[in-house]
Amino acid sequence: GAVVSQHPSWVICKSGTSVKIECRSLDFQATTMFWYRQFPKQSLMLMATSNEGSKATYEQGVEKDKFLINHASLTLSTLTVTSAHPEDSSFYICSARTYLGLAGNNEQFFGPGTRLTVL
Amino acid sequence: GENVEQHPSTLSVQEGDSAVIKCTYSDSASNYFPWYKQELGKRPQLIIDIRSNVGEKKDQRIAVTLNKTAKHFSLHITETQPEDSAVYFCAALNNNAGNMLTFGGGTRLMVKP
Repeated sequence: GAVVSQHPSWVICKSGTSVKIECRSLDFQATTMFWYRQFPKQSLMLMATSNEGSKATYEQGVEKDKFLINHASLTLSTLTVTSAHPEDSSFYICSARTYLGLAGNNEQFFGPGTRLTVL
Repeated sequence: GENVEQHPSTLSVQEGDSAVIKCTYSDSASNYFPWYKQELGKRPQLIIDIRSNVGEKKDQRIAVTLNKTAKHFSLHITETQPEDSAVYFCAALNNNAGNMLTFGGGTRLMVKP
């Protein structure tokens, strides 16, 4: 299957700092990338959907000014957690999808996740 | 929007027994239903998926069934092994509405040797 990487895999930062997480599709062009947040022992919660070259669509309750998403190319999306606070500590996972025409292969390929700890 | 319910939240079975995880969805327009396995601290891995034009799909020890009328789908794992222990998530996707996956709450499967 297709490979999606994420960087960094683990980050610890002080409260008030900003953290940027990169998501890359390594061997395919991702028309759409998704950002999820997963708290311990909970399910994946979609934060936002981003299409290359356009603004991200945020889910209800997700602050777009706090979680900045940029999808500048077909292989890279970034999530910046601005002014991070301890309650932002979580496992952030991206996924990428490419649309293969009418065959409609909707499989999403997940990155390995980034564990953010805000002190 | 779509709502996906998953049961049970935890499941403990003896090695060699079968495990069944069930999910229901609310949006009748959903037409793609993947199942993911997630080990602690790792990414979700797709293990099997089914589309709405198919009622059942099997891949070795794993099978998925779909009942569109009742809007539920199930994961069946036969001859379970300790390495099957993980958290399993079902999901539903509507091709015609943003192609977003909505996940169930997850099932923690423990296979006792």
